[in-house]
Amino acid sequence: GQNIDQPTEMTATEGAIVQINCTYQTSGFNGLFWYQQHAGEAPTFLSYNVLDGLEEKGRFSSFLSRSKGYSYLLLKELQMKDSASYLCAVRDLGGSYIPTFGRGTSLIVHP
Amino acid sequence: EAQVTQNPRYLITVTGKKLTVTCSQNMNHEYMSWYRQDPGLGLRQIYYSMNVEVTDKGDVPEGYKVSRKEKRNFPLILESPSPNQTSLYFCASSLLETSNTEAFFGQGTRLTVV
Repeated sequence: GQNIDQPTEMTATEGAIVQINCTYQTSGFNGLFWYQQHAGEAPTFLSYNVLDGLEEKGRFSSFLSRSKGYSYLLLKELQMKDSASYLCAVRDLGGSYIPTFGRGTSLIVHP
Repeated sequence: EAQVTQNPRYLITVTGKKLTVTCSQNMNHEYMSWYRQDPGLGLRQIYYSMNVEVTDKGDVPEGYKVSRKEKRNFPLILESPSPNQTSLYFCASSLLETSNTEAFFGQGTRLTVV
């Protein structure tokens, strides 16, 4: 199984940059996902990393280091609508392709 | 439109009264799963299914049942609900591949057991 750790809460200012970290321990890594979840709504897919490096998608980027068991989600030019919970999910090589979710990081963006 | 549909969205029930939350997807996904989400605990998997007639327990299966008689449907059954099953429930589906297989989530069902 996996052990996934994320900060519980972060705050940032509109227009700024914020980095949300995720560390994990797994017996066999097979991909890491980031999801965004607004309060009371369904999680929605943001990014997927399976190889080391940075994946950029507009204002959002996700980085992975498999040797360090570490990922981060970088949000640039923060907007008020980015206030949400960000979930890190890790999939291992157990054969089932099922991701395990971390507890999520609640990001609050202030004006 | 590709989607996962859960019903009902909100439900208040009494202890011991059997209920079913339905989940349906129109993307021909093999994999479907149920999660519950509680404050401070994140998404915890209840049951999942790899394909028709194949179901397995997740991390918190006690008090729940599921069935997968058709590929598109994956209902969650609470035979005798208790107050500790008050939670926000999500159904999800995805393809079963080794590449980027993002999960698609339903809108959620907020269940209160009194």
